[in-house]
Amino acid sequence: SQQGEEDPQALSIQEGENATMNCSYKTSINNLQWYRQNSGRGLVHLILIRSNEREKHSGRLRVTLDTSKKSSSLLITASRAADTASYFCATDAWGGSNYKLTFGKGTLLTVNP
Amino acid sequence: NAGVTQTPKFQVLKTGQSMTLQCAQDMNHNSMYWYRQDPGMGLRLIYYSASEGTTDKGEVPNGYNVSRLNKREFSLRLESAAPSQTSVYFCASKSGISYNEQFFGPGTRLTVL
Repeated sequence: SQQGEEDPQALSIQEGENATMNCSYKTSINNLQWYRQNSGRGLVHLILIRSNEREKHSGRLRVTLDTSKKSSSLLITASRAADTASYFCATDAWGGSNYKLTFGKGTLLTVNP
Repeated sequence: NAGVTQTPKFQVLKTGQSMTLQCAQDMNHNSMYWYRQDPGMGLRLIYYSASEGTTDKGEVPNGYNVSRLNKREFSLRLESAAPSQTSVYFCASKSGISYNEQFFGPGTRLTVL
């Protein structure tokens, strides 16, 4: 079953604007990760936030985590055309013999030049 | 340092045929994973290997088998392909049991007619 659910499913913005994507999940987690997937390519890890953290920054990325609401958001500031991609949140939880990632369905971000 | 490599990139099979998808990583990672991605969906875990010599079922293991040949290689076998197995298959690896990022291969696009 899908653990994370991203919102919105699709987002179209102009270059220079900020993009915010949200993720909700259902069960307890150890950490939450965000990945980017360019069309026809594999996933690339962007950022990881642990369950005891509330906010994390990496370059133009800002991630927040609210474990009481079981939700996370990914903010991309000053977007560029090269940010056009699908973005997935993934919750990391113990699966018996290893930590396993469970992915949401993703948000398709289009940044128009 | 090639990271995670997958072969083949594309494959077309007829219903009932068998094939093996190959995955190799050169990062000395302990854990390896096989996912499938269907249109509009996130990734779903098929099988994983926490370490050399161990394999475990994921969310959607039916119709698949895996082999952790050595620390570098993790193969996925379809014994009797079905149209429902048409998908893009991704292999991933990570360094160890503790929670951290996964590194993904470029994917294999499989069509079963």
